Amino acid sequence: AQKITQTQPGMFVQEKEAVTLDCTYDTSDPSYGLFWYKQPSSGEMIFLIYQGSYDQQNATEGRYSLNFQKARKSANLVISASQLGDSAMYFCAMRGLNTGNQFYFGTGTSLTVIP
Amino acid sequence: DGGITQSPKYLFRKEGQNVTLSCEQNLNHDAMYWYRQDPGQGLRLIYYSQIVNDFQKGDIAEGYSVSREKKESFPLTVTSAQKNPTAFYLCASSPASAQGVDTQYFGPGTRLTVL
Repeated sequence: AQKITQTQPGMFVQEKEAVTLDCTYDTSDPSYGLFWYKQPSSGEMIFLIYQGSYDQQNATEGRYSLNFQKARKSANLVISASQLGDSAMYFCAMRGLNTGNQFYFGTGTSLTVIP
Repeated sequence: DGGITQSPKYLFRKEGQNVTLSCEQNLNHDAMYWYRQDPGQGLRLIYYSQIVNDFQKGDIAEGYSVSREKKESFPLTVTSAQKNPTAFYLCASSPASAQGVDTQYFGPGTRLTVL
């Protein structure tokens, strides 16, 4: 079975500071991908970053980086230099080789950036 | 522009009525998905389809039905059997490959309210 766990329902960060959003996963798939999405109050889901299970380096996309620790089955999202526009819900998701096209989502973390 | 469109953006339904939510994509993606999101919650999979004329039930398929007659279209019908249909509905699509950074792309969502 595939499972994604996000244990932080809400997080606060000061503008311009860095913040880490936690994500742990459970899978028996030998190959899988991990994704992070941002959902602003408008409701749209925006893809942020991807990490493959066999990637040797942690993924980075601009101010977003993924702290991937395979042995611990964690894929934490790090947002550097937080901006007011980063206030949103953030979802971690996984897709496994043996689960075809099905994505599994965590329950999300609500991030609020304080000016 | 390539993307996913959902209509309508807001939908009101009387109890006992069936309603159909539209989802169209021009990304030439094989796989399409419907998710339900309740306030403050994560995404729950209703149905997904990997190819035309084929679809699979997700975690909460009861009270919903879908069709996939064309690659670009995946409408969702919320039937009167769905006991609590008021929610935000998101449609997504992805390439068929189960590897690599084949993320899901999401539509803007439909907010359904039962009166």
